[in-house]
Amino acid sequence: DAGVTQSPTHLIKTRGQQVTLRCSPKSGHDTVSWYQQALGQGPQFIFQYYEEEERQRGNFPDRFSGHQFPNYSSELNVNALLLGDSALYLCASSLGRGSYQPQHFGDGTRLSIL
Amino acid sequence: AQSVAQPEDQVNVAEGNPLTVKCTYSVSGNPYLFWYVQYPNRGLQFLLKYITGDNLVKGSYGFEAEFNKSQTSFHLKKPSALVSDSALYFCAVRDSSSASKIIFGSGTRLSIRP
Repeated sequence: DAGVTQSPTHLIKTRGQQVTLRCSPKSGHDTVSWYQQALGQGPQFIFQYYEEEERQRGNFPDRFSGHQFPNYSSELNVNALLLGDSALYLCASSLGRGSYQPQHFGDGTRLSIL
Repeated sequence: AQSVAQPEDQVNVAEGNPLTVKCTYSVSGNPYLFWYVQYPNRGLQFLLKYITGDNLVKGSYGFEAEFNKSQTSFHLKKPSALVSDSALYFCAVRDSSSASKIIFGSGTRLSIRP
């Protein structure tokens, strides 16, 4: 039973560029959440996708956008990259939004901005 | 606004001794609390949760947590530490205004010496 998978594992970009990160949820899960974890900090909620729509959003600018596909996989897009966007980006999946069940996390994509 | 605090950046324990990782929370309404563990270059792994019921919650890998409503605490405990328990531990609370959003603490690095 495959867990949450994310690609790529590492990525290096320069300021001003755009990036797309990908996530496949755990089998049977239909909800995907994205988090940003800066070095030495806890994960910060970016947004959640359910039924191909953004359902909830954290305190992140519009440069951060996403998409969910019919097979429940998801993408996180970041435009006009800033040095401060350097972080580990984590994808988490769960069954149903608003569930009390724990979220299952992937190993993340390490994004470095030069 | 909901929040969790982990007052200790690092906890050092000798192998075989009991360990405690502290967490306090601030929520409006009923708290839904979680503990996650993160190993180097990995995503977060779920340990345990408190939704309602017994104040002592048992989780994975021999960990347990004690919910204390009067002290607004949810400390993680283990009777006998293992070197393999060395990792970064995060306390988290589900945002009561948004079932989708999980709010994480800043993390506590647990170091178990042989």
